[in-house]
Amino acid sequence: DAGVIQSPRHEVTEMGQEVTLRCKPISGHDYLFWYRQTMMRGLELLIYFNNNVPIDDSGMPEDRFSAKMPNASFSTLKIQPSEPRDSAVYFCASSLGLAGGDTQYFGPGTRLTVL
Amino acid sequence: EDQVTQSPEALRLQEGESSSLNCSYTVSGLRGLFWYRQDPGKGPEFLFTLYSAGEEKEKERLKATLTKKESFLHITAPKPEDSATYLCAVQAPRSYIPTFGRGTSLIVHP
Repeated sequence: DAGVIQSPRHEVTEMGQEVTLRCKPISGHDYLFWYRQTMMRGLELLIYFNNNVPIDDSGMPEDRFSAKMPNASFSTLKIQPSEPRDSAVYFCASSLGLAGGDTQYFGPGTRLTVL
Repeated sequence: EDQVTQSPEALRLQEGESSSLNCSYTVSGLRGLFWYRQDPGKGPEFLFTLYSAGEEKEKERLKATLTKKESFLHITAPKPEDSATYLCAVQAPRSYIPTFGRGTSLIVHP
């Protein structure tokens, strides 16, 4: 398996623009997670899905952020409108389950810069 | 609120100089504790899962141990390729979702 795939790897945009980040989880994994990583706050969970259904979006910072998972092999995280404080590295991860032994496998991340 | 604290924030070692990284937590009824390695520009890579106090896991120069309130990642005779940020995450029974610490940035000089 190719692992978790994310695109784009780097995104530079201007304040106010819409940004869409994409993720393809590992085949067969029932859980998909979106994280944000910054120097100030470390790695933060934004939202996670189980079998394509959003389970907990309490980490989504505000209504400008939305996430979808239309099928088992694709998810998007959208920011509209984007702001400079959204600049961070966004990771997608997937796992078989939530049990202690179910490891999360992370993608390479998307580095977002909002000017 | 569950807390995960990693120390030190940064560590510089000479090649061959053994040391330990610490991860302390306040989770009650720990379901699992995870160690990850993160290289610059990459996502975290899984290393170990520990479930109960007294448990130990080893992989090459790394050994992870767990007590009731903390975990240690021991690095024996490190090499420059061990340079990375090491993240700890804990899983509490009620949330299932791991809470990550801020990480320890390790640099091993040749």
